[in-house]
Amino acid sequence: EVQLVESGGGLVKPGGSLRLSCAASGIGFSNVWMSWVRQGPGKGLEWVARIKRNADGGTTDYAAPVKGRFTISRDDSKNMLYLEMISLKTEDTAIYFCTTGRLNNWFDPWGQGTLVTVSS
Amino acid sequence: EIVLTQSPATLSLSPGERATLSCRASQSVSSFLAWYQQKPGQAPRLLIYDASNRATGIPARFSGSGSGTDFTLTISSLEPEDFAVYYCQQRSNWYTFGQGTKLEIK
Repeated sequence: EVQLVESGGGLVKPGGSLRLSCAASGIGFSNVWMSWVRQGPGKGLEWVARIKRNADGGTTDYAAPVKGRFTISRDDSKNMLYLEMISLKTEDTAIYFCTTGRLNNWFDPWGQGTLVTVSS
Repeated sequence: EIVLTQSPATLSLSPGERATLSCRASQSVSSFLAWYQQKPGQAPRLLIYDASNRATGIPARFSGSGSGTDFTLTISSLEPEDFAVYYCQQRSNWYTFGQGTKLEIK
């Protein structure tokens, strides 16, 4: 069974930084593209960032609102996905989910999410 | 950016009834469309991908149709556990989601 477990969320002041982690198990982690998707309080879903598998170049891509502030990375030796977030804004407040693109690059499955709150 | 518009925003039905949810794209996404179900306090779950393929473990009462710009998710006979929020998502041009349809018990 595939399991994705996020951690690292918390309360941070505007302008601050945070690093999210996602531990994957039950999946050939090195063979899948991974993404972060977020959901603001009472809002819909927003794709944040994607990293391809190393066999596809390990390329990273970002949504416009986070480009230049967020960095997605992976450690295939540890089956870990990361999201480094700097210069955080109040509008970054959300639950952050990690998810795989193992099924034709669709998001499946998802972790339970980790809450990031940006507030003074 | 491709905008996905879902309708209705809220759908009130009773168990046993048929549900029809719509998703319209601002430009063609071919068949690169998926549907997700999200219950309160839970992560989304993939139901349908490539417009009409059911994901593993998804009951046959869920079906998807459409291509281009107009798509439909149909739940043939609602079970109590089907009342949730449903999102469509495209991957034709990056990734965007619709704003969701809340399916509530009438």
